[in-house]
Amino acid sequence: DAGVIQSPRHEVTEMGQEVTLRCKPISGHDYLFWYRQTMMRGLELLIYFNNNVPIDDSGMPEDRFSAKMPNASFSTLKIQPSEPRDSAVYFCASSLGAVLATNEKLFFGSGTQLSVL
Amino acid sequence: LAKTTQPISMDSYEGQEVNITCSHNNIATNDYITWYQQFPSQGPRFIIQGYKTKVTNEVASLFIPADRKSSTLSLPRVSLSDTAVYYCLVGDGTAGNKLTFGGGTRVLVKP
Repeated sequence: DAGVIQSPRHEVTEMGQEVTLRCKPISGHDYLFWYRQTMMRGLELLIYFNNNVPIDDSGMPEDRFSAKMPNASFSTLKIQPSEPRDSAVYFCASSLGAVLATNEKLFFGSGTQLSVL
Repeated sequence: LAKTTQPISMDSYEGQEVNITCSHNNIATNDYITWYQQFPSQGPRFIIQGYKTKVTNEVASLFIPADRKSSTLSLPRVSLSDTAVYYCLVGDGTAGNKLTFGGGTRVLVKP
């Protein structure tokens, strides 16, 4: 299996532009997670899905952020409009079942380095 | 999700054993303890998970005392490539589990 695939690897954009990050989870995994990592705040969980349904989006910073999972093999995280403080590494992760129990584990993608100028 | 506390950083030398202790005083009965490793420019990677006593795999060992209020990740004979950030997570995987990673422990292995 190719693992969790994220694109693009790097994204540089200007303030006010729309940014779309993409993720393909591992086939057969029922859970998908979006994380954001910065030096100041560490790894923050933004939102997670179970069987394509958003379960908890309380980590989404504000209305400028939205995430969708139209099918089991694809998810997007969109920022519109983007701001310089959104600059971070965004990770997508997937798991077969509920994590932190019964030896389930998160599998992370390589991340998208976002720079908003 | 039980709050965890880890040292911010640790230095070691090649060939030594590294032990990282994570405190989780509010761990619940059904919570598991999981450790992840993150290299620069990569996503975290699962290392080991346990519930009680000792767990060992090809990468590390996890020691959990009887009261389960702490756990220690042990990396035997580290090499330069073990330089990374190590995260401890505690939870039971139930719905609403935040799966929040703490600050982690930055381990620097020196030659």
